[in-house]
Amino acid sequence: GAVVSQHPSWVICKSGTSVKIECRSLDFQATTMFWYRQFPKQSLMLMATSNEGSKATYEQGVEKDKFLINHASLTLSTLTVTSAHPEDSSFYICSANRPGEETQYFGPGTRLLVL
Amino acid sequence: DAKTTQPNSMESNEEEPVHLPCNHSTISGTDYIHWYRQLPSQGPEYVIHGLTSNVNNRMASLAIAEDRKSSTLILHRATLRDAAVYYCILNSGGGADGLTFGKGTHLIIQP
Repeated sequence: GAVVSQHPSWVICKSGTSVKIECRSLDFQATTMFWYRQFPKQSLMLMATSNEGSKATYEQGVEKDKFLINHASLTLSTLTVTSAHPEDSSFYICSANRPGEETQYFGPGTRLLVL
Repeated sequence: DAKTTQPNSMESNEEEPVHLPCNHSTISGTDYIHWYRQLPSQGPEYVIHGLTSNVNNRMASLAIAEDRKSSTLILHRATLRDAAVYYCILNSGGGADGLTFGKGTHLIIQP
């Protein structure tokens, strides 16, 4: 099946710094990618839809100025957590659909710990 | 997306079949029924999906009720590696929409 990768797999940063997470579709082009967040013992929550060549669409309650999304190419979307705080510590997961398919392919996730 | 209801947890023995139920009484005519699973500390993994007819693949079978208000994911012979949280999700976006995850069913496999 299709493969989606994320980098880094985990990151620890100090409060107030910014962290960039990359999501790549390795064997297909994705005009749309999705970013989710998962807190411990909770389910995944959709944060935003990343659209290649245009602005991302954010879910209600997600601050677009804090979670910057850039989808500069058909195989790469990045999520930047700006001025990270301990409450941003979470498991961030991206996904993408192969064109014409219903199935979403998920990345392995990035665990962020903000100290 | 329409809401789904699943049991919080289920337990089964290794090498036995597992039937995971999902209720989706408010499903619309264009909603596909998707199943994903998430192993600990990993991203979700696609299992199977269907619209009206039962579906089989190498991982599982999906049995869909005639009125489409419920479905059952069937793992024919569970292994320890099948221990995961299983999510039943409705989606009609054709790939254009993100998924709405419920709490899922935590499947425990006993050796």
